[in-house]
Amino acid sequence: QVTLKESGPALVKPTQTLTLTCTFSGFSLSTSGMRVNWIRQSPGKALEWLARIDWDDDKFYSTSLETRLTISKDTSKNQVVLTMTNMDPVDTATYYCARIPQYDYGFDYWGQGIMVTVSS
Amino acid sequence: DIQMTQSPSTLSASVGDSVTITCRASQNISPWLAWYQQKPGKAPKLLIHKVSNLLSGVPSRFSGDESGTEFTLIISSLQPDDFATYYCQQYSSYSPRLTFGGGTKVEIK
Repeated sequence: QVTLKESGPALVKPTQTLTLTCTFSGFSLSTSGMRVNWIRQSPGKALEWLARIDWDDDKFYSTSLETRLTISKDTSKNQVVLTMTNMDPVDTATYYCARIPQYDYGFDYWGQGIMVTVSS
Repeated sequence: DIQMTQSPSTLSASVGDSVTITCRASQNISPWLAWYQQKPGKAPKLLIHKVSNLLSGVPSRFSGDESGTEFTLIISSLQPDDFATYYCQQYSSYSPRLTFGGGTKVEIK
């Protein structure tokens, strides 16, 4: 079955770089049409899409955050990594990875999320 | 970027009520619109994709519709399990950047 799981630090200091890993199973990111995304949700707030990486290694970023984000994949390890530089307390949120299985679909599988707090 | 304006932000209703949640897109996105349900402490769950296509296992009391750039999620005969927050999301093929609406919390009246 399809699963995704986020991993990374629960606490980072302001100005540090956050590195999150999404480890998935039950599908391959080399399958045509497959996409893995990162989405975050600040406490009590709405969902915010951050970045996407496609089966063909195309990458897309949120306009407001693209200077701070880098997404990459390791198909052999079934992992997608997101880095976010210059962390700030406003970046405190639950970070999710989620799959899109084909171009005309929404996020059909999500990880459980990882809560990241930015504080000195 | 495409903006999604969702309303209302909060909705109070009783079991058995029919409720409607609306999302308006800043430009044409049809039919690339999905709806999600999120319960506290959980990841969102995809309910509907391509405006009106229910995922397998989603109760038929959920339905989606569109009129131009306005999209609606209708829950007929609200059940106790339906009290949650709902989000729309666009995934237009013309814009690789995906966006969510601001969410609608459906509360018990």
